[in-house]
Amino acid sequence: AQSVTQPDIHITVSEGASLELRCNYSYGATPYLFWYVQSPGQGLQLLLKYFSGDTLVQGIKGFEAEFKRSQSSFNLRKPSVHWSDAAEYFCAVGAVTNAGKSTFGDGTTLTVKP
Amino acid sequence: EPEVTQTPSHQVTQMGQEVILRCVPISNHLYFYWYRQILGQKVEFLVSFYNNEISEKSEIFDDQFSVERPDGSNFTLKIRSTKLEDSAMYFCASNLREQETQYFGPGTRLLVL
Repeated sequence: AQSVTQPDIHITVSEGASLELRCNYSYGATPYLFWYVQSPGQGLQLLLKYFSGDTLVQGIKGFEAEFKRSQSSFNLRKPSVHWSDAAEYFCAVGAVTNAGKSTFGDGTTLTVKP
Repeated sequence: EPEVTQTPSHQVTQMGQEVILRCVPISNHLYFYWYRQILGQKVEFLVSFYNNEISEKSEIFDDQFSVERPDGSNFTLKIRSTKLEDSAMYFCASNLREQETQYFGPGTRLLVL
């Protein structure tokens, strides 16, 4: 069975500082990996995804993530955080046979200090 | 840009009542999904649907739940007899092919009293 762990429930960073949100997955084969962002009361917006190929993927809003098979990780990064980045971030893993059946992590809440 | 839409945005119902949540997936998409998110918790897969039948469902998706694509555009989730613990945000999603990005709707917030 596939699973996702986001070790950090809550992270606080200062505006302009760099950000890294951790994600570890468990899956028996090559996973499909996603990062989503959710603002309060809103739906899920896809930030980026990894299906295959280059392990460093670029997403929207200046985010990037790196797939490391040896560490079963797919950490999300941003070099300089903006106040508008404050939200909940979810990592998800999809099955190769059915990428739509995604398993989500518990989420990390990001607070940005002025 | 095409998007997935969901109605209603909010629904309040009494325990034991039936509710139908509606979704309009992106028009050329073929795979459809429902997820739910209980307040403060993670998003959980409920069911996937392709070619007019369920392709996979989770243990959450018991006999109280059903899905239907009644016409060429709508995709519905029915909860036959709601329970308090069905209170959650329900997200619909769709994609054109399995191994492609799925697009989520804005969600329907269901409150069961």
